Amino acid sequence: AQSVTQLGSHVSVSEGALVLLRCNYSSSVPPYLFWYVQYPNQGLQLLLKYTTGATLVKGINGFEAEFKKSETSFHLTKPSAHMSDAAEYFCAVSVGKNTGFQKLVFGTGTRLLVSP
Amino acid sequence: DGGITQSPKYLFRKEGQNVTLSCEQNLNHDAMYWYRQDPGQGLRLIYYSQIVNDFQKGDIAEGYSVSREKKESFPLTVTSAQKNPTAFYLCASSTSGGETDTQYFGPGTRLTVL
Repeated sequence: AQSVTQLGSHVSVSEGALVLLRCNYSSSVPPYLFWYVQYPNQGLQLLLKYTTGATLVKGINGFEAEFKKSETSFHLTKPSAHMSDAAEYFCAVSVGKNTGFQKLVFGTGTRLLVSP
Repeated sequence: DGGITQSPKYLFRKEGQNVTLSCEQNLNHDAMYWYRQDPGQGLRLIYYSQIVNDFQKGDIAEGYSVSREKKESFPLTVTSAQKNPTAFYLCASSTSGGETDTQYFGPGTRLTVL
């Protein structure tokens, strides 16, 4: 079964520092991968997604992620953290390949804390 | 503005009562989803629907029911059979439910059982 592992339930960085949030997946077929962000008491918003093509994917708010098949990873990065980046981040894999219908399996989330 | 609305934002229920959570979208999306979010567990799929008058159970459907009579609406009923209903409930929609679709989420309903 396809699954997603997010290493670190909490990550703390200083404002201006590099942000790195880790995501590893397991999948028997080439995956479709997603990163979503959730601000407190709100719904989720798509940051970026990988479907096919270029393995380095750029998203909103300066985030990007690189699909590495050999490492089964899809880590999220941002060169310089802002206070407004403080939120919870979810990695997800689409498991609908055999049905043609998308089912997302989410990781357990990583809370990003940004200090001044 | 196009988007997804969920109501109410907060809901309190006594044990043994059924409650219905509303989800409406004006994005003209065919597919709609319901998720449950618990602290430290990520999101888990309750039900999904790819088209009007059709819906499928997700991973944790026991104690929940849905209907899809209109394209815009996908209400979720939490029944008294749901043993631990206190959670944050999120509704989402996507264009067609295709494997590469982006799911758009509503703001959520926080349900507390007293």
